[in-house]
Amino acid sequence: GENVEQHPSTLSVQEGDSAVIKCTYSDSASNYFPWYKQELGKRPQLIIDIRSNVGEKKDQRIAVTLNKTAKHFSLHITETQPEDSAVYFCAASLSGGSYIPTFGRGTSLIVHP
Amino acid sequence: NAGVTQTPKFRILKIGQSMTLQCTQDMNHNYMYWYRQDPGMGLKLIYYSVGAGITDKGEVPNGYNVSRSTTEDFPLRLELAAPSQTSVYFCASSHNAGGEDYGYTFGSGTRLTVV
Repeated sequence: GENVEQHPSTLSVQEGDSAVIKCTYSDSASNYFPWYKQELGKRPQLIIDIRSNVGEKKDQRIAVTLNKTAKHFSLHITETQPEDSAVYFCAASLSGGSYIPTFGRGTSLIVHP
Repeated sequence: NAGVTQTPKFRILKIGQSMTLQCTQDMNHNYMYWYRQDPGMGLKLIYYSVGAGITDKGEVPNGYNVSRSTTEDFPLRLELAAPSQTSVYFCASSHNAGGEDYGYTFGSGTRLTVV
């Protein structure tokens, strides 16, 4: 089955810096890669996703890149703000089948004012 | 749309008691899921359903049961509660359109304590 490794487990940055979280996956057939943000005590929320036919996707200060050859994808947050502090989860799945994504273990991002 | 609605938000159970966690979605999503999240940990899949009448086990199904009689509802039943079931439970739904899957919409969670 699919295996997703997420790094780092904790990331501490100063406000205004950039943050990068990386995930690697094992199943080359995986073709859908969502990212979720979970603030303390709240539910996870989808913030951005990317499909295997696209190399990069941006939404304001967040972007996701995908390298199918190396089987890794990354979340990039620019100009970080304290409200970006949360746990971020990546996931990988094979779209179109029985959709059960494999989640990474999560990255705790702390943005210091 | 209300999205995914979970009830109750909090519950304290005594060891050996049973309860049902309710989950309803109004987005006509075909896929529904139950996850548990222990403090500081990731999401573990308990059960999932790809449509009404179809359910399957996830990675941690022991001590739980589910049913999916309608597209909207996916209740999770805990029988004979144990302290190890103390956790936050999230229900989620997703859909497939045009052969492509889309990300999860999560409910607000149920914080369960078994004492």
